[in-house]
Amino acid sequence: QSALTQPASVSGSPGQSITISCTGTSSDVGSYNLVSWYQQHPGKAPKLMIYEGSKRPSGVSNRFSGSKSGNTASLTISGLQAEDEADYYCCSYAGSSTFVFGTGTKVTVL
Amino acid sequence: EVQLVESGGGLVKPGGSLRLSCAASGFTFSNAWMSWVRQAPGKGLEWVGRIKSKTDGGTTDYAAPVKGRFTISRDDSKNTLYLQMNSLKTEDTAVYYCTTIRWKSFDIWGQGTMVTVSS
Repeated sequence: QSALTQPASVSGSPGQSITISCTGTSSDVGSYNLVSWYQQHPGKAPKLMIYEGSKRPSGVSNRFSGSKSGNTASLTISGLQAEDEADYYCCSYAGSSTFVFGTGTKVTVL
Repeated sequence: EVQLVESGGGLVKPGGSLRLSCAASGFTFSNAWMSWVRQAPGKGLEWVGRIKSKTDGGTTDYAAPVKGRFTISRDDSKNTLYLQMNSLKTEDTAVYYCTTIRWKSFDIWGQGTMVTVSS
């Protein structure tokens, strides 16, 4: 199972919106509406931001939104803030009770 | 407060074994599906494996790189998840996180425990 493909880095100014893509295959992202997104600050454990493609757990800001088209899922962060600077990972259910993570994207707030 | 606390990491030689533990509190552990996820130094996240709750069969599944070498188990009486790692390789060097599984995603994470495989 190959890792899902994400851009290595994305940047934006405070207040702007950015979108991180996550490209898989018809065996994972394309087959299930089960993509999740994680935020990880340096030296910290990841935090669930989006599940089932577009749903937010309680306590996660509505500035974070998720979507999917075909084999590509996306995470959009609107109203970018300094605290959003972190690494972001997508993950998809890949069938047969397995999961695959994305390669990770470093978000920089300029 | 919902909490997961991993322990048992350390330095081990290639070919050696190590058992990690994850103590859970603040939720009904016996009902939870649990997983291990690892992160090699400076690298991305990698799913290691998962165990269902006993009421859902208690079965396990593993990622290809660890299948046959790693075993996930649970002791619901102790609210503890385990990862038995055998035939360790240098590429198993990573921080190992235990997580709950909810909505086919990794909901709650521990702080992680470092495993270093080196001669």
